[in-house]
Amino acid sequence: DAKTTQPPSMDCAEGRAANLPCNHSTISGNEYVYWYRQIHSQGPQYIIHGLKNNETNEMASLIITEDRKSSTLILPHATLRDTAVYYCIVSSTGNQFYFGTGTSLTVIP
Amino acid sequence: NAGVTQTPKFQVLKTGQSMTLQCAQDMNHNSMYWYRQDPGMGLRLIYYSASEGTTDKGEVPNGYNVSRLNKREFSLRLESAAPSQTSVYFCASSEVSGRYEQYFGPGTRLTVT
Repeated sequence: DAKTTQPPSMDCAEGRAANLPCNHSTISGNEYVYWYRQIHSQGPQYIIHGLKNNETNEMASLIITEDRKSSTLILPHATLRDTAVYYCIVSSTGNQFYFGTGTSLTVIP
Repeated sequence: NAGVTQTPKFQVLKTGQSMTLQCAQDMNHNSMYWYRQDPGMGLRLIYYSASEGTTDKGEVPNGYNVSRLNKREFSLRLESAAPSQTSVYFCASSEVSGRYEQYFGPGTRLTVT
């Protein structure tokens, strides 16, 4: 499975949109992009996933570039409860997830 | 629904001791997973079970064994604990092996002295 690159940390003002980038330049055609987050030391929580089309659910939006080499997770109105580590993962099977070290997002009041 | 439950929540072992971490899910999921997370690191897959009766190695299987007892339960055993196995262990499950979201348990914090 392709590996991903994420910035180690980001800040976002409360109420503003948080845009978290992910680079996956070696992604192959059958690999999906998944986003999870981990709050404090809890178990990770699924956010969203997609193949090539943009996706939206009640938590977030996922924007995948046309060449699929990068993606952006958008939290439209960040709250303090969104402070967490966000992981971008690519996988073809959904079994073997490589979490990496993710992006630590801090939402500032 | 309780989701994914793990026992124990905390455990301290001496080097060489053995123990089994228990995981159960009540969502009728077919696939289950064991991960470990070392301080400041992301999760790494130890073993997974795509369906009842099958198990496969993940990224870091050495020093561990697993048993898929039934559809609900997936246990992780450390036969001879080592300090390098000090970590937080997470169990997860998903509806089907493949492109489905994984649901995680609260974790077991294990210290090996």
